[in-house]
Amino acid sequence: AQSVTQPDIHITVSEGASLELRCNYSYGATPYLFWYVQSPGQGLQLLLKYFSGDTLVQGIKGFEAEFKRSQSSFNLRKPSVHWSDAAEYFCAVGTYKLSFGAGTTVTVRA
Amino acid sequence: DTGVSQDPRHKITKRGQNVTFRCDPISEHNRLYWYRQTLGQGPEFLTYFQNEAQLEKSRLLSDRFSAERPKGSFSTLEIQRTEQGDSAMYLCASSLLTAAENSPLHFGNGTRLTVT
Repeated sequence: AQSVTQPDIHITVSEGASLELRCNYSYGATPYLFWYVQSPGQGLQLLLKYFSGDTLVQGIKGFEAEFKRSQSSFNLRKPSVHWSDAAEYFCAVGTYKLSFGAGTTVTVRA
Repeated sequence: DTGVSQDPRHKITKRGQNVTFRCDPISEHNRLYWYRQTLGQGPEFLTYFQNEAQLEKSRLLSDRFSAERPKGSFSTLEIQRTEQGDSAMYLCASSLLTAAENSPLHFGNGTRLTVT
Protein backbone atom coordinates (compact mmCIF):
# COMPACT_ATOMS: atom_id res chain seq x y z
CA ALA A 1 0.00 0.00 0.00
CA GLN A 2 1.15 3.51 -0.70
CA SER A 3 1.06 6.27 1.88
CA VAL A 4 2.59 9.62 2.75
CA THR A 5 3.45 11.15 6.11
CA GLN A 6 4.02 14.84 6.57
CA PRO A 7 5.29 15.14 10.14
CA ASP A 8 4.81 18.89 10.48
CA ILE A 9 1.23 20.14 10.66
CA HIS A 10 2.17 23.82 10.83
CA ILE A 11 5.37 25.76 10.20
CA THR A 12 5.93 29.46 10.75
CA VAL A 13 8.83 31.10 8.97
CA SER A 14 10.04 34.67 8.61
CA GLU A 15 9.98 36.29 5.21
CA GLY A 16 13.38 35.84 3.58
CA ALA A 17 14.26 32.81 5.67
CA SER A 18 14.69 29.32 4.28
CA LEU A 19 11.93 26.71 4.37
CA GLU A 20 12.03 22.94 4.47
CA LEU A 21 8.94 20.74 4.52
CA ARG A 22 9.31 17.07 5.31
CA CYS A 23 7.69 14.18 3.49
CA ASN A 24 8.11 10.46 4.05
CA TYR A 25 6.49 7.93 1.79
CA SER A 26 5.73 4.25 1.58
CA TYR A 27 5.52 2.69 -1.86
CA GLY A 28 6.15 -0.76 -3.25
CA ALA A 29 8.14 0.19 -6.31
CA THR A 30 10.00 3.17 -7.68
CA PRO A 31 7.81 6.01 -6.51
CA TYR A 32 6.32 8.83 -8.47
CA LEU A 33 6.42 11.75 -6.03
CA PHE A 34 4.80 15.15 -6.14
CA TRP A 35 4.46 18.35 -4.18
CA TYR A 36 1.32 20.42 -4.55
CA VAL A 37 0.40 23.78 -3.02
CA GLN A 38 -3.11 24.88 -2.10
CA SER A 39 -4.22 28.39 -1.25
CA PRO A 40 -7.40 28.82 0.84
CA GLY A 41 -10.53 27.82 -1.07
CA GLN A 42 -8.53 26.85 -4.14
CA GLY A 43 -7.53 23.68 -5.90
CA LEU A 44 -4.07 22.18 -5.90
CA GLN A 45 -1.23 23.52 -8.01
CA LEU A 46 1.67 21.26 -8.94
CA LEU A 47 5.00 22.58 -7.67
CA LEU A 48 7.25 19.77 -8.85
CA LYS A 49 7.43 16.07 -9.55
CA TYR A 50 9.93 13.22 -9.40
CA PHE A 51 9.64 10.26 -11.74
CA SER A 52 13.24 9.12 -12.17
CA GLY A 53 16.73 10.41 -12.85
CA ASP A 54 18.30 13.30 -10.98
CA THR A 55 17.26 13.11 -7.34
CA LEU A 56 17.23 16.89 -6.95
CA VAL A 57 14.29 18.32 -8.84
CA GLN A 58 13.50 21.94 -9.50
CA GLY A 59 9.99 23.27 -9.53
CA ILE A 60 8.06 26.46 -9.95
CA LYS A 61 8.20 29.48 -7.64
CA GLY A 62 11.81 28.73 -6.63
CA PHE A 63 11.04 25.42 -4.91
CA GLU A 64 13.16 22.31 -5.11
CA ALA A 65 12.90 18.83 -3.62
CA GLU A 66 15.34 16.01 -3.03
CA PHE A 67 14.46 12.34 -3.36
CA LYS A 68 16.33 10.11 -0.90
CA ARG A 69 15.48 6.46 -1.44
CA SER A 70 17.43 5.29 1.63
CA GLN A 71 15.32 7.53 3.86
CA SER A 72 12.06 7.20 1.92
CA SER A 73 11.91 10.96 1.90
CA PHE A 74 11.09 13.71 -0.56
CA ASN A 75 11.60 16.98 1.31
CA LEU A 76 10.66 20.32 -0.20
CA ARG A 77 12.90 23.37 0.17
CA LYS A 78 12.99 27.02 -0.70
CA PRO A 79 16.02 29.20 0.06
CA SER A 80 14.14 32.45 0.69
CA VAL A 81 10.46 32.56 1.47
CA HIS A 82 8.12 35.27 0.22
CA TRP A 83 4.89 36.31 1.93
CA SER A 84 2.98 34.84 -1.03
CA ASP A 85 4.30 31.37 -0.13
CA ALA A 86 1.87 31.19 2.79
CA ALA A 87 -0.37 28.24 1.89
CA GLU A 88 -0.88 24.56 2.53
CA TYR A 89 1.55 22.13 1.01
CA PHE A 90 0.82 18.52 0.16
CA CYS A 91 3.19 15.72 -0.68
CA ALA A 92 1.78 12.88 -2.77
CA VAL A 93 2.89 9.49 -4.07
CA GLY A 94 1.50 7.29 -6.81
CA THR A 95 0.96 7.05 -10.51
CA TYR A 96 -2.66 7.51 -11.53
CA LYS A 97 -4.09 7.20 -8.01
CA LEU A 98 -2.31 9.57 -5.70
CA SER A 99 -2.08 9.21 -1.96
CA PHE A 100 -1.66 12.55 -0.23
CA GLY A 101 -0.25 13.46 3.12
CA ALA A 102 -2.34 15.49 5.55
CA GLY A 103 -0.53 18.64 4.53
CA THR A 104 1.68 21.27 6.16
CA THR A 105 0.36 24.77 6.65
CA VAL A 106 3.02 27.44 6.15
CA THR A 107 2.63 30.84 7.77
CA VAL A 108 5.01 33.61 6.75
CA ARG A 109 5.66 36.41 9.22
CA ALA A 110 6.97 39.80 8.20
CA ASP B 1 -4.71 25.14 -21.81
CA THR B 2 -7.69 26.57 -19.99
CA GLY B 3 -7.24 24.33 -16.98
CA VAL B 4 -9.71 22.07 -15.21
CA SER B 5 -13.04 23.74 -14.60
CA GLN B 6 -15.55 22.77 -11.91
CA ASP B 7 -19.09 23.95 -11.39
CA PRO B 8 -20.51 25.07 -9.05
CA ARG B 9 -17.81 26.48 -6.77
CA HIS B 10 -20.08 26.23 -3.76
CA LYS B 11 -23.22 24.22 -3.04
CA ILE B 12 -25.32 24.34 0.10
CA THR B 13 -28.01 21.71 0.36
CA LYS B 14 -30.29 20.21 2.95
CA ARG B 15 -29.78 16.69 4.19
CA GLY B 16 -31.56 14.18 1.99
CA GLN B 17 -31.38 16.22 -1.20
CA ASN B 18 -29.52 15.15 -4.33
CA VAL B 19 -26.67 17.21 -5.76
CA THR B 20 -24.70 17.03 -8.98
CA PHE B 21 -21.30 18.53 -9.74
CA ARG B 22 -19.70 19.00 -13.11
CA CYS B 23 -16.06 18.84 -14.16
CA ASP B 24 -14.57 19.91 -17.48
CA PRO B 25 -11.03 18.57 -17.82
CA ILE B 26 -8.19 19.93 -19.91
CA SER B 27 -9.37 19.19 -23.42
CA GLU B 28 -6.65 16.81 -24.56
CA HIS B 29 -6.56 14.85 -21.30
CA ASN B 30 -7.95 11.34 -21.48
CA ARG B 31 -8.00 10.60 -17.75
CA LEU B 32 -10.29 12.26 -15.24
CA TYR B 33 -10.29 11.82 -11.47
CA TRP B 34 -12.51 12.73 -8.56
CA TYR B 35 -11.09 13.34 -5.10
CA ARG B 36 -12.67 14.43 -1.84
CA GLN B 37 -10.97 16.67 0.69
CA THR B 38 -12.23 17.29 4.20
CA LEU B 39 -11.01 20.06 6.45
CA GLY B 40 -7.43 19.63 7.58
CA GLN B 41 -6.82 16.59 5.41
CA GLY B 42 -5.25 15.84 2.07
CA PRO B 43 -7.40 14.82 -0.88
CA GLU B 44 -8.66 11.23 -0.97
CA PHE B 45 -9.15 9.32 -4.20
CA LEU B 46 -12.75 8.52 -5.13
CA THR B 47 -12.76 7.31 -8.72
CA TYR B 48 -11.22 7.78 -12.14
CA PHE B 49 -12.05 7.45 -15.81
CA GLN B 50 -10.01 6.72 -18.85
CA ASN B 51 -11.97 8.24 -21.70
CA GLU B 52 -15.56 7.21 -20.93
CA ALA B 53 -14.71 4.08 -18.95
CA GLN B 54 -14.79 4.22 -15.17
CA LEU B 55 -11.80 2.06 -14.26
CA GLU B 56 -11.67 2.20 -10.48
CA LYS B 57 -13.82 3.23 -7.55
CA SER B 58 -12.65 3.71 -3.99
CA ARG B 59 -14.41 2.09 -1.06
CA LEU B 60 -15.13 5.69 -0.02
CA LEU B 61 -17.60 5.88 -2.90
CA SER B 62 -20.79 4.57 -1.35
CA ASP B 63 -23.85 3.51 -3.33
CA ARG B 64 -25.21 7.03 -2.97
CA PHE B 65 -22.40 8.34 -5.18
CA SER B 66 -22.32 7.94 -8.92
CA ALA B 67 -19.95 9.40 -11.47
CA GLU B 68 -20.22 9.48 -15.22
CA ARG B 69 -18.18 10.62 -18.17
CA PRO B 70 -20.54 9.82 -21.02
CA LYS B 71 -18.57 11.11 -23.99
CA GLY B 72 -15.11 10.97 -22.56
CA SER B 73 -15.05 14.72 -22.04
CA PHE B 74 -16.81 16.33 -19.06
CA SER B 75 -17.80 14.34 -16.01
CA THR B 76 -20.54 14.58 -13.41
CA LEU B 77 -20.54 13.42 -9.82
CA GLU B 78 -23.94 12.91 -8.24
CA ILE B 79 -24.61 12.39 -4.56
CA GLN B 80 -28.06 11.10 -3.68
CA ARG B 81 -29.74 11.54 -0.30
CA THR B 82 -26.93 13.73 1.00
CA GLU B 83 -25.74 13.36 4.58
CA GLN B 84 -23.88 15.83 6.75
CA GLY B 85 -20.80 13.65 6.47
CA ASP B 86 -20.73 14.38 2.75
CA SER B 87 -19.73 17.97 3.46
CA ALA B 88 -16.33 18.39 1.87
CA MET B 89 -14.45 19.88 -1.06
CA TYR B 90 -14.85 17.73 -4.16
CA LEU B 91 -11.87 18.06 -6.45
CA CYS B 92 -11.63 17.04 -10.07
CA ALA B 93 -8.33 16.43 -11.82
CA SER B 94 -7.24 15.34 -15.26
CA SER B 95 -4.13 13.91 -16.86
CA LEU B 96 -2.86 12.65 -20.18
CA LEU B 97 -1.90 9.01 -20.42
CA THR B 98 0.45 8.17 -23.26
CA ALA B 99 2.55 5.14 -24.07
CA ALA B 100 5.41 6.83 -22.24
CA GLU B 101 3.82 7.93 -19.01
CA ASN B 102 0.86 9.36 -17.17
CA SER B 103 1.29 13.10 -16.88
CA PRO B 104 0.91 14.74 -13.47
CA LEU B 105 -2.61 15.44 -12.32
CA HIS B 106 -3.94 18.93 -12.91
CA PHE B 107 -6.60 19.91 -10.40
CA GLY B 108 -9.58 22.20 -10.63
CA ASN B 109 -10.56 24.66 -7.91
CA GLY B 110 -13.09 22.25 -6.47
CA THR B 111 -16.72 22.33 -5.44
CA ARG B 112 -17.32 23.06 -1.77
CA LEU B 113 -20.38 21.11 -0.56
CA THR B 114 -22.10 22.00 2.69
CA VAL B 115 -24.94 19.76 3.86
CA THR B 116 -27.16 21.32 6.52
